[in-house]
Amino acid sequence: DQQVKQNSPSLSVQEGRISILNCDYTNSMFDYFLWYKKYPAEGPTFLISISSIKDKNEDGRFTVFLNKSAKHLSLHIVPSQPGDSAVYFCAGISGANSKLTFGKGITLSVRP
Amino acid sequence: SQTIHQWPATLVQPVGSPLSLECTVEGTSNPNLYWYRQAAGRGLQLLFYSVGIGQISSEVPQNLSASRPQDRQFILSSKKLLLSDSGFYLCALSGASSYEQYFGPGTRLTVT
Repeated sequence: DQQVKQNSPSLSVQEGRISILNCDYTNSMFDYFLWYKKYPAEGPTFLISISSIKDKNEDGRFTVFLNKSAKHLSLHIVPSQPGDSAVYFCAGISGANSKLTFGKGITLSVRP
Repeated sequence: SQTIHQWPATLVQPVGSPLSLECTVEGTSNPNLYWYRQAAGRGLQLLFYSVGIGQISSEVPQNLSASRPQDRQFILSSKKLLLSDSGFYLCALSGASSYEQYFGPGTRLTVT
């Protein structure tokens, strides 16, 4: 059972435009969600997170939106930059110090 | 600031050989430690986590084991590697009562 789904395997965006990366989940017990960015042959880097009691969290160019009723979250990057090209993972967690459940990732390509 | 070290960075081992991957952390005390694996074309899967010295929880049955002999050391082992053990192995840490997990640089293991 895939509890976190990133249904679009890839996304290509023009530099300067908005990138929207989507994520759906099925586990209602998740109380926190995180986005990670990963370059090839490197470990994931934490980007931004959101508690399940909130619907939006913003940090610079990155904003995460949570629609709890739809069990859907999205990461918005604006403006997109070529250095944003990477694989982005969405993850859910139920309780601190617990395991992260990851989606399969979305490959973002930002074209100059 | 906290730092995660993993070695080796890459490893090629024959089927049936033993394995020992080491993770050490700096800049934090009593962290929760995790081993994840990313297989080809898949998301990250939690293998083991540890909340303290000698305390190991296994998430999935497999050919691997983990140990935590010191507070800041986490070791992943196998007595006999299988082809299916190939993948990218990541060590991660989180602080007490913290949701965010931070990842090391990873070890690329190829079993031939």
